[in-house]
Amino acid sequence: GQQVMQIPQYQHVQEGEDFTTYCNSSTTLSNIQWYKQRPGGHPVFLIQLVKSGEVKKQKRLTFQFGEAKKNSSLHITATQTTDVGTYFCAGHTDKLIFGTGTRLQVFP
Amino acid sequence: KAGVTQTPRYLIKTRGQQVTLSCSPISGHRSVSWYQQTPGQGLQFLFEYFSETQRNKGNFPGRFSGRQFSNSRSEMNVSTLELGDSALYLCASSLRGPPDTQYFGPGTRLTVL
Repeated sequence: GQQVMQIPQYQHVQEGEDFTTYCNSSTTLSNIQWYKQRPGGHPVFLIQLVKSGEVKKQKRLTFQFGEAKKNSSLHITATQTTDVGTYFCAGHTDKLIFGTGTRLQVFP
Repeated sequence: KAGVTQTPRYLIKTRGQQVTLSCSPISGHRSVSWYQQTPGQGLQFLFEYFSETQRNKGNFPGRFSGRQFSNSRSEMNVSTLELGDSALYLCASSLRGPPDTQYFGPGTRLTVL
């Protein structure tokens, strides 16, 4: 069945360092979404990418969708302690399949 | 607008029992999806309902079932509980279903002893 993997599983960074998480699907996706889940919270929608090669920015966050629409990445520039949480990608074909998530810890 | 609500928030059951979880979507949303979240497996898709019909189903055994009512509220039932069913169960609502933005509820934490 359709699988969506994310790496790394965990990432610890010093505040101010950059962070990147990568998402890979076993099948071509029609679109991809990114969510953030704070510790003890529930996933919250960040963004959706639809077009091949699409790049979108939200302040310090940059999202990319691969040319083949099978992979995606989220890059955070100059992390802050408020960035702590688990970041999930979710790939859509006929249903929305969530990636395994990357847990980000930021040390002040 | 009120967000997605789930009841109960916490539940403790013993093996072999059954449980029913409830989800009230955002007003106007007709799609409700259910997910199981565990530390080792991440967010696993259970099923999606739209206008009282199950539109999609994940790879879970038949012990997991659900339904949706005419007011879009949804319930999920797990019968013959196993220890491995301990998890956070999240529901998410959206206007028309994926790929529309999913709005998640706070979840129900189920512990099976």
